[in-house]
Amino acid sequence: AQSVTQLGSHVSVSEGALVLLRCNYSSSVPPYLFWYVQYPNQGLQLLLKYTSAATLVKGINGFEAEFKKSETSFHLTKPSAHMSDAAEYFCAVSEGQNTGFQKLVFGTGTRLLVSP
Amino acid sequence: DSGVTQTPKHLITATGQRVTLRCSPRSGDLSVYWYQQSLDQGLQFLIQYYNGEERAKGNILERFSAQQFPDLHSELNLSSLELGDSALYFCASSLDLTNSPLHFGNGTRLTVT
Repeated sequence: AQSVTQLGSHVSVSEGALVLLRCNYSSSVPPYLFWYVQYPNQGLQLLLKYTSAATLVKGINGFEAEFKKSETSFHLTKPSAHMSDAAEYFCAVSEGQNTGFQKLVFGTGTRLLVSP
Repeated sequence: DSGVTQTPKHLITATGQRVTLRCSPRSGDLSVYWYQQSLDQGLQFLIQYYNGEERAKGNILERFSAQQFPDLHSELNLSSLELGDSALYFCASSLDLTNSPLHFGNGTRLTVT
């Protein structure tokens, strides 16, 4: 079964600093990978997705992620953090796309704290 | 606004009771998904429906059931509630079966006392 591991339950950065949130996946087939963001009292919002096209994926709000097969990683980055980026971020891998369903398997999440 | 509507926003009920959570998908979306988010289990997939038919099941308890109606809205029924069922229940929808991204509602927070 597919799975993802997010390293670090909390990451703290200063405003303007680089954001790096780590995600490693385990998959027996070429994976579909996603990053979602959850703001307080809200649902999850899709930031970006990788579906075996370009390995560098650009998303919304200045975020991007790079798929590295050799490292089984899909880390999320943003060059310069903004206070509004403070939220919980979830990495997910999709199961079932070749068998007629879609099940997202989520990591445990990383809470991003941004200080002024 | 994702376009996915969940009602109610909050639900407080007692152990042993039964509740129904409702979800209206985005206009045009045929797939509906239910996820449970709790502190100890994280985000867990419960079930997927596509155009009224069940397509995939996750770790959904036998006390839980769901359905998708002809107008594509969905309901998640939770019965014989236990304290451990307290969680955020999310509905999501997508255009098709496998390839389009999921759009999540804001969830229903269930508290079982």
